[in-house]
Amino acid sequence: GQQLNQSPQSMFIQEGEDVSMNCTSSSIFNTWLWYKQDPGEGPVLLIALYKAGELTSNGRLTAQFGITRKDSFLNISASIPSDVGIYFCAGQGGSEKLVFGKGTKLTVNP
Amino acid sequence: GAVVSQHPSWVICKSGTSVKIECRSLDFQATTMFWYRQFPKQSLMLMATSNEGSKATYEQGVEKDKFLINHASLTLSTLTVTSAHPEDSSFYICSAIQPTINEQFFGPGTRLTVL
Repeated sequence: GQQLNQSPQSMFIQEGEDVSMNCTSSSIFNTWLWYKQDPGEGPVLLIALYKAGELTSNGRLTAQFGITRKDSFLNISASIPSDVGIYFCAGQGGSEKLVFGKGTKLTVNP
Repeated sequence: GAVVSQHPSWVICKSGTSVKIECRSLDFQATTMFWYRQFPKQSLMLMATSNEGSKATYEQGVEKDKFLINHASLTLSTLTVTSAHPEDSSFYICSAIQPTINEQFFGPGTRLTVL
C-alpha cells in the first residue's frame, strides 16, 4: 500500500537537545497528523494539521503542514527522557483513511 | 476523552485455529472503525474499514475470508483471524472515529502469536 517517506529512521540524542523529523509524499494530503507510539501500545495523536502552511505547537512540539501539501515536519525542543518512543507521521486525503510513515525511533540519553 | 479498548491485549494460539479480537469505543459511538496490522519495527498498515451495519471494506491484498470483520453495534467491531498461521503473528490495532470531533482514536493493540 501507499506509504509516506519519513526520515530519519532513528535518532540518538542527548537530553536537552532539539529534534527534527519530516515526512514527504508524492501525493497531496488534506490533513497531516503526528503520532507517538510507545512499545506495546497504540499510537497517540500529538498534533493535527489541517491547512497548507499551518504551523502548530503543542508544548515543546511544533509541526508544520508544507505549502505544497506533500510534506510535514515535527520539531521537539529541549528533549527529555520521556520523549523516547516511535514517532509516526500520517496523511489523510479525501477519505477518512490514514496513510502512515515508517516511523522515527527516538532515543534520548539522560 | 475518547477511549478505545481492545481485548485481548495478547493471545497465543496454535496454527489452524481462529482468534477473535474485540475493539470497543467506550465513551462514544463510532459508525466507522479501522483495523491495522503492524509487524515488528514497521509501520501501521491499514487492513480494512469497518462500517456499522454493513460489510467491511478491505484494502488490496487483505483476504476478506481470512480476516472476518463484524461491526454489529456502534461501540463494537470484531476481527476474527481464521485458520491462523505463524505468518499472521503481528500486532493488531484498531481505531475508531469520534464523530463530534472527527478524530481517530486508537486502541492499545493486540499482540497475536501463532505457534
